[in-house]
Amino acid sequence: QVTLKESGPVLVKPTETLTLTCSVSGFSLNSPRMGVSWIRQPPGKALEWLAHIFSTDEKMYSTSLQSRLTISQDTSKSHVVLSMTNMDPMDTATYYCARKVIYLDGGDFLGDAFDIWGQGTMVTVSS
Amino acid sequence: DIQMTQSPSSLSASVGDRVTITCRASQNIRNYLNWFQQKPGKAPTLLIYAASSLQSGVPSRFGGSHSGTEFTLTITSLQPEDFATYYCQQSYNFPYTFGQGTKLEI
Repeated sequence: QVTLKESGPVLVKPTETLTLTCSVSGFSLNSPRMGVSWIRQPPGKALEWLAHIFSTDEKMYSTSLQSRLTISQDTSKSHVVLSMTNMDPMDTATYYCARKVIYLDGGDFLGDAFDIWGQGTMVTVSS
Repeated sequence: DIQMTQSPSSLSASVGDRVTITCRASQNIRNYLNWFQQKPGKAPTLLIYAASSLQSGVPSRFGGSHSGTEFTLTITSLQPEDFATYYCQQSYNFPYTFGQGTKLEI
């Protein structure tokens, strides 16, 4: 069974750095067709994609947040870590990690999608 | 960044109805469009990938299609458990982007 679970602080102060961990099981972070993204959702608002890490360790970031984000992985521990610097009350949100898989049809690329999500972790930014 | 525009933002319907939600991309994304369902307090779940492919385990009353940059999620014969918020997401290129969501209400 594939699972992802987010962990980290519930409350951070403005200007602090947030560090979140996504612990995965049931698949390997080394699998070539897999990757993990972080996605957040402020209360009552839409989903916002933040960052992605491939099995090759290549990383991609949100255009507006890339200067504040760092994503990394420890394949031996099956962890994906997201750091976000200079936290602001506007960063209050539920943070999700999600597995991205590639769909193939006889070797042809069909597309890719977030097929399994963690339960999410709510982070509040307040002094 | 590619902008994804969903409509309507909210929709009222009844059990047994057929509903359609639309998502328009700001540029060509081929068929790299996914649909998610989210219920209150829960993580999103994948319904449709690659515009029209049904994710395993998803009921066949959910369907996706597209024409150019316009994508459609159709739910035939609404069931009580279908009342939720629906999001589209493009996976054509990074940064990935989501639509603003469509809340389907009774």
